[in-house]
Amino acid sequence: EDKVVQSPLSLVVHEGDTVTLNCSYEVTNFRSLLWYKQEKKAPTFLFMLTSSGIEKKSGRLSSILDKKELFSILNITATQTGDSAVYLCAVEAGYGGATNKLIFGTGTLLAVQP
Amino acid sequence: NAGVTQTPKFRILKIGQSMTLQCAQDMNHNYMYWYRQDPGMGLKLIYYSVGAGITDKGEVPNGYNVSRSTTEDFPLRLELAAPSQTSVYFCASSTRLALGSDTQCFGPGTRLTVL
Repeated sequence: EDKVVQSPLSLVVHEGDTVTLNCSYEVTNFRSLLWYKQEKKAPTFLFMLTSSGIEKKSGRLSSILDKKELFSILNITATQTGDSAVYLCAVEAGYGGATNKLIFGTGTLLAVQP
Repeated sequence: NAGVTQTPKFRILKIGQSMTLQCAQDMNHNYMYWYRQDPGMGLKLIYYSVGAGITDKGEVPNGYNVSRSTTEDFPLRLELAAPSQTSVYFCASSTRLALGSDTQCFGPGTRLTVL
């Protein structure tokens, strides 16, 4: 059965800390891995990763994928209170087109304290 | 553009009642999706549509129905509400069948409680 596992489930840090969120997966016919940020409302897209070892970066956030070990990490440096959210990892799997599935992890709840 | 809009924002139903969750998008996206998110869980795909007149089941379609009579609208119907359907429902749309991508736009969600 396809599954996506995120760790830790929750994390409390202080402003300025660096955090690493983990996402491991077991899926058939991996196509891409995605990270979303969810702040009480709809998820907002952060990164899409399809190739191993290539870091994607956006400001203080970065992510990398290891397709051999089947995991991805999301790094946030110099955290701010505005980074407080649930971070969702999702994996798209399938043979392409209408039969693809998007499997979400349960998310990591990040709380950044002032 | 208003993006993806959903109504209502909140709703409480009694067991056995029916209701329709509305979703509309004004971006001329062909592809639309319905997800549910249970507390502490990721999103699960209920139904999706690749264009007007075409719908298909996702992971958890039981207890739901959809229709896609226009490109803009993709309502989700609950016929006999059950407590297991208590969840937050997200509608999304995209320009291509990319279940997860930067082209997928999510609506603000509808929080449904079935008592």
